[in-house]
Amino acid sequence: GAGVSQSPSNKVTEKGKDVELRCDPISGHTALYWYRQRLGQGLEFLIYFQGNSAPDKSGLPSDRFSAERTGESVSTLTIQRTQQEDSAVYLCASSLRGVATDTQYFGPGTRLTVL
Amino acid sequence: QQQVKQSPQSLIVQKGGISIINCAYENTAFDYFPWYQQFPGKGPALLIAIRPDVSEKKEGRFTISFNKSAKQFSLHIMDSQPGDSATYFCAASIGRGSTLGRLYFGRGTQLTVWP
Repeated sequence: GAGVSQSPSNKVTEKGKDVELRCDPISGHTALYWYRQRLGQGLEFLIYFQGNSAPDKSGLPSDRFSAERTGESVSTLTIQRTQQEDSAVYLCASSLRGVATDTQYFGPGTRLTVL
Repeated sequence: QQQVKQSPQSLIVQKGGISIINCAYENTAFDYFPWYQQFPGKGPALLIAIRPDVSEKKEGRFTISFNKSAKQFSLHIMDSQPGDSATYFCAASIGRGSTLGRLYFGRGTQLTVWP
């Protein structure tokens, strides 16, 4: 595709429910990143995929958060038993090879609101 | 803790003026320093980036100044325009190991350029 796409664009859920967020990276990009952006904060790293393996999961805030990626394609971020502090914009980015100097292209994000 | 510290949090500049945003870091393993620009409702987009082996990089009206000994870098926007009004994030990454490509972001600076 032309750019990174994410769905849904907005998600409102009740505390305790599970949510799935989807990211479609740029075709051919091997690296995929998930970040979280809380109101007025910078972007917080969550997880990094190289292909379908995740060499760096260190940013996942708790075991309620998990992510997977199918090959070098779609990734889903799952949050179980959502809490109000999970409310944020979840951003996905992809890059060609995953090296530091590769540009990360960001999607528009999914705004998650937990009531 | 915040690995990249950014200031100011907000900045108001008159059209035609110079906007200056500063960042500082502690981790000497950082070896790539990009700046991202984010408009409301959009994901961040790469604006300009620098490696620590140069002290300055200029692209059009945007210049990064880098001081390796002080572990500081800054973004200068010359002849600021209303269209530059956005949130700017500095970031840093390490080019090796399992953290490859992971970006550490500052908290962001909301720039408003008055016409």
